[in-house]
Amino acid sequence: KAGVTQTPRYLIKTRGQQVTLSCSPISGHRSVSWYQQTPGQGLQFLFEYFSETQRNKGNFPGRFSGRQFSNSRSEMNVSTLELGDSALYLCASSSGQLKYEQYFGPGTRLTVT
Amino acid sequence: GDSVTQMEGPVTLSEEAFLTINCTYTATGYPSLFWYVQYPGEGLQLLLKATKADDKGSNKGFEATYRKETTSFHLEKGSVQVSDSAVYFCALSEASGTYKYIFGTGTRLKVLA
Repeated sequence: KAGVTQTPRYLIKTRGQQVTLSCSPISGHRSVSWYQQTPGQGLQFLFEYFSETQRNKGNFPGRFSGRQFSNSRSEMNVSTLELGDSALYLCASSSGQLKYEQYFGPGTRLTVT
Repeated sequence: GDSVTQMEGPVTLSEEAFLTINCTYTATGYPSLFWYVQYPGEGLQLLLKATKADDKGSNKGFEATYRKETTSFHLEKGSVQVSDSAVYFCALSEASGTYKYIFGTGTRLKVLA
């Protein structure tokens, strides 16, 4: 089975712009979660989607949003980018059954200048 | 809220040395516990997991036991190799039934030949 794929892998944006990141989960997986990884804050949960519904949300401002499509692919959007949004954004997928592990993609490295 | 505490790194060992990376957690209910490894420039790879008290997860020579009485999930390996050099993350999955992971800060391991 192919793993979790994320596009693009690297992105450079300017403050004030918006960005959309994409994640394709492992085939058959219905749950997709997003995490932000920074040297200062570590790994922080953004949100989780299951069957197109947001099931849980972390403590991030409303500039961070996401969605999931009927084929389980997910996108996250960050509007009005700030320098502090520079991070590695990781997507993880899971089969959706309780206590099952998540599988992570390689991440999208976002740099905001 | 739930939290995970990992020992500070970096940890530097000689090849074939014994490895222990401490991880303790605070959680309501009975979370699942995980160890993930991150190699430079990559996403997270699941190393092992345990879903209930006294479970022992193991993979590639690494082991960790879910200790409810001490709320711990320490990672151990009897003989490390240079290729084990990476950052190791302890994580818990909240018992609420969603896939929100709480991660520790990560421990960087460097193994010298």
